[in-house]
Amino acid sequence: AQTVTQSQPEMSVQEAETVTLSCTYDTSESDYYLFWYKQPPSRQMILVIRQEAYKQQNATENRFSVNFQKAAKSFSLKISDSQLGDAAMYFCAYRSASLRDDKIIFGKGTRLHILP
Amino acid sequence: SQTIHQWPATLVQPVGSPLSLECTVEGTSNPNLYWYRQAAGRGLQLLFYSVGIGQISSEVPQNLSASRPQDRQFILSSKKLLLSDSGFYLCAWRFPGTGHNEQFFGPGTRLTVL
Repeated sequence: AQTVTQSQPEMSVQEAETVTLSCTYDTSESDYYLFWYKQPPSRQMILVIRQEAYKQQNATENRFSVNFQKAAKSFSLKISDSQLGDAAMYFCAYRSASLRDDKIIFGKGTRLHILP
Repeated sequence: SQTIHQWPATLVQPVGSPLSLECTVEGTSNPNLYWYRQAAGRGLQLLFYSVGIGQISSEVPQNLSASRPQDRQFILSSKKLLLSDSGFYLCAWRFPGTGHNEQFFGPGTRLTVL
């Protein structure tokens, strides 16, 4: 079975600085998708970024980028120029590309604090 | 554009009472639908998912059930709530088929069982 591990329960970063959140996963499949979701205090889950496993290029969305290392099964999220609004719980997630497996597996999350 | 609604937003229920949480999606047809539970300070636990009307897959055996009476309506129910059912319940949807793999989440329902 696939698993997703986020080893950092909490992190803090100074406003305007850069922070990297770690995520590792375990799977025997070669085709899958990886996601980072953000859950602010409102608890609304918001998709931050998505990566297809067949793409070697790392995904980027404005100040958010990922470092996808397929062989190492690592998928870290880098937030540049951190802003107060980035304070949230961040979840790494995995989904198989197989239509027979219609589930997203979430890590336990990393709570990110932004220090003014 | 698509939107997803959940209600109620907050619910306080006594142990042993019934439960009905509703989720509806607008702006799309035949979405895949999901129910998650999030305990305080924890990750998301998938409870049920559905790929079509009347088609429900259960991930965790418990006293909860789900139904999909209409294409864009997903209901989470219980006949008798337990204290352990307290938590934050999230409904999510995604486009069916391949190529659309991210899920989009509703605002959630905070359930407290006393």
